[in-house]
Amino acid sequence: QVVLVESGGGVVQPGRSLRLSCAASGFAFETSAMHWVRQAPGKGLEWVAVTSFDGSKEFHADSVKGRFTISRDNSKNMVSLEMSDLRREDTAVYFCVRATTTVTFQDWGQGTLVTV
Amino acid sequence: SYELTQPPSVSVAPGQTARITCSGDDLPNQYSYWFQQKPGQAPLLVISRDTARPSGIPERFSGSTSGATVTLTISGVQAEDEAVYYCQSADNTDSYFWVFGGGTKLTV
Repeated sequence: QVVLVESGGGVVQPGRSLRLSCAASGFAFETSAMHWVRQAPGKGLEWVAVTSFDGSKEFHADSVKGRFTISRDNSKNMVSLEMSDLRREDTAVYFCVRATTTVTFQDWGQGTLVTV
Repeated sequence: SYELTQPPSVSVAPGQTARITCSGDDLPNQYSYWFQQKPGQAPLLVISRDTARPSGIPERFSGSTSGATVTLTISGVQAEDEAVYYCQSADNTDSYFWVFGGGTKLTV
């Protein structure tokens, strides 16, 4: 079955950087677009970034553009989110999410908490 | 920026029908999706592409559309359906981004 395991969360001071990782298994990773979605404590869901199946295209939400960068390594079945210049409003659980051809947010990891 | 609007809360008695709406200007042109989220858990897809029910989702969950409004209907609500429900759509015309509604807390 599809398994997505996020790691790298923690407590960080404003202005500092953090790198999140997501290890994927149970599906053809190299054919799937991958997203990051976040959820601030007690708040709703917010799309953060997406990388195409081969990493050739990336899109980021305006709220993180220029500060966060999504990337992937298909040889390791990993997707990452490099976060810099972190702000208090970036505090959230960050979910790694697999896309399919018909469903943008098909499978979700359990999330990793980032506290700024 | 593109927004999806949901009511903050809906309350129904067990066995009744719950309807949760989601409105957005571009919904007539984009697919909508519905997610269920229980405390401490990741969201779970319950309706795909406006009306499709994924494998494993009970038949009491259904989706419908009417113009710029989509609706999640839960017929014969059970206590286990108490959760926050999010609608989701996309804007893939001028740019690429995906948007969620603010969420609706369903109380049974």
